Amino acid sequence: AQSVTQPDIHITVSEGASLELRCNYSYGATPYLFWYVQSPGQGLQLLLKYFSGDTLVQGIKGFEAEFKRSQSSFNLRKPSVHWSDAAEYFCAVEGAGSYQLTFGKGTKLSVIP
Amino acid sequence: DADVTQTPRNRITKTGKRIMLECSQTKGHDRMYWYRQDPGLGLRLIYYSFDVKDINKGEISDGYSVSRQAQAKFSLSLESAIPNQTALYFCATGGLAANTGELFFGEGSRLTVL
Repeated sequence: AQSVTQPDIHITVSEGASLELRCNYSYGATPYLFWYVQSPGQGLQLLLKYFSGDTLVQGIKGFEAEFKRSQSSFNLRKPSVHWSDAAEYFCAVEGAGSYQLTFGKGTKLSVIP
Repeated sequence: DADVTQTPRNRITKTGKRIMLECSQTKGHDRMYWYRQDPGLGLRLIYYSFDVKDINKGEISDGYSVSRQAQAKFSLSLESAIPNQTALYFCATGGLAANTGELFFGEGSRLTVL
């Protein structure tokens, strides 16, 4: 069975600071990996995804993530955080071709002006 | 108009009542999902469907049922609601093309069971 761990429940950063949100997954083969963002009162929106190829993937809103097979990780990064990035972020894994996403428990990001 | 529409957006009901949450989509997607979100637990899959004749249980299907009335409509029912079904429910859709993976979410239906 696939699983996702997001070790940080809540992170606070200052506006303009860099950000890294951690995600570790468990899956027997190479999974499909995703990061979603949920703004308050909204549904989830896809930030970026990894299927294969280049292990550094670029997403929307200036986010990027790096797949590290040896560490079973898919950490999300942003060089300079904006106040509008305050939201909850979910990492998700899909067994290739299964069409079933398993989500982590989420990391809530707060941004200090 | 939203691509994935959920109704109602908010509902308060009493223990033992039957509740239906409805989802409709205009994206033409074959896959539809119902997830439940609880604080600190993330999203958990209740049911999913790949077409009108295909219904599959997810991680937490007990106490829930679904109906895929058409390609564009997927409803979730709680036959006899209980307080621990108080949660935020999301419908999501996705295509079947290879390597898409992206799900499109509705804005959620907040259910409170007293």
